Amino acid sequence: DAGITQSPRYKITETGRQVTLMCHQTWSHSYMFWYRQDLGHGLRLIYYSAAADITDKGEVPDGYVVSRSKTENFPLTLESATRSQTSVYFCASSEKTGPYSYNEQFFGPGTRLTVL
Amino acid sequence: GQSLEQPSEVTAVEGAIVQINCTYQTSGFYGLSWYQQHDGGAPTFLSYNALDGLEETGRFSSFLSRSDSYGYLLLQELQMKDSASYFCAVNSGNTPLVFGKGTRLSVIA
Repeated sequence: DAGITQSPRYKITETGRQVTLMCHQTWSHSYMFWYRQDLGHGLRLIYYSAAADITDKGEVPDGYVVSRSKTENFPLTLESATRSQTSVYFCASSEKTGPYSYNEQFFGPGTRLTVL
Repeated sequence: GQSLEQPSEVTAVEGAIVQINCTYQTSGFYGLSWYQQHDGGAPTFLSYNALDGLEETGRFSSFLSRSDSYGYLLLQELQMKDSASYFCAVNSGNTPLVFGKGTRLSVIA
């Protein structure tokens, strides 16, 4: 199916475990993003990528790792999960380049992660 | 740094008009976007303003005043399905979008 997908949709894990959230897009968009959404904080950017093998930190990168070996995939790894990382995680992609690159982002359905 | 301010909650009556304001502070500015998010869903793009003035898309309009660092989203002929959270987001060019904390709109009968 065309679009942007995330897996798993729901995940429960324990403190200290490693967790990887997957994101896949079929549009060949250059830019991809990871956000977390918590009540009272809106959408906060964790990491983003302008192209394969190019990644950069966002507002809240600590405790997360990303990679982008292929244009269509942008996995997010929590190396050692903490309770504060309980959140809803959204992946997004965007096709435009230049100063207007970051507009019209297309969001995946989200992953609801609970860390016990 | 960048910051955006928008009301946390707004309530309006079905069929009425509602305006959701957004003020921003940013170093460098290219445009203001609006996104809609229903409960349990993903944000979806509504509009983008790069220049001053009003952009209309059906029942939704978005306005920008660059000199006032201010914009708003106007929703007309409100319907129950418009109950959602609305986020403004600033594009300052060299960094990704920065989102406001969102305004939760409740449409009542």
